[in-house]
Amino acid sequence: EVQLVESGGGLVQPGRSLKLSCVASGFTFSNYGMNWIRQAPGKGLEWVAYISSGRSYIYYAETVKGRFTISRDNAKNTLYLQMTSLRSEDTALYYCARCRTGGDMDVWGQGASVTVSS
Amino acid sequence: DIVMTQTPSSQAVSAGEKVTMSCKSSQSLLYSENKKNYLAWYQQKPGQSPTLLISWASTRESGVPDRFIGSGSGTDFTLTISSVQAEDLAVYYCEQYYDALWTFGGGTKLELK
Repeated sequence: EVQLVESGGGLVQPGRSLKLSCVASGFTFSNYGMNWIRQAPGKGLEWVAYISSGRSYIYYAETVKGRFTISRDNAKNTLYLQMTSLRSEDTALYYCARCRTGGDMDVWGQGASVTVSS
Repeated sequence: DIVMTQTPSSQAVSAGEKVTMSCKSSQSLLYSENKKNYLAWYQQKPGQSPTLLISWASTRESGVPDRFIGSGSGTDFTLTISSVQAEDLAVYYCEQYYDALWTFGGGTKLELK
């Protein structure tokens, strides 16, 4: 079964850091670009970051550029999102999603909840 | 950045009704080299992750009922549900992937009348 499972979410104080992981199974992880997308409580979807299959291309939304770092370990079938200098507005459910050649996202995880609050 | 605007933001519908929702982009999503529109539609049911319904503006994903129809080109796109079923009550998002800075529309929420 094709699956993505996020972990690492939690409650963190403003200004602190957190690292999310997304473990892939059921497909050849190293063949796909991957995205992080987030959804604030009661709000819509916001794209956060992208990394290509071989890590050659990395893109960030302006709202997280300079604070978040996307990375991957193809040997471990794992995608990461290192989040630093967290703000209250980063509070959201963070999804990882598989990105197909055309850019659409055909497999999503269940999400990892991040709450930034003192 | 490309801005995606969805209308309406919410719509009350009855089972069996035909529904249309709009998605407009601030610039064309039609790539001239391959004549493809880099536009996708997603469905998100309450408490669930989004699922991909349609890619390339009009290509239904495997397993998606044929009552879901994507159309449009350039900057104007439409998702039509030919006969709404109870299980279709959800929020629908369009998303552009023409520009590597992916953006989503604000969503259209389908509710029961």
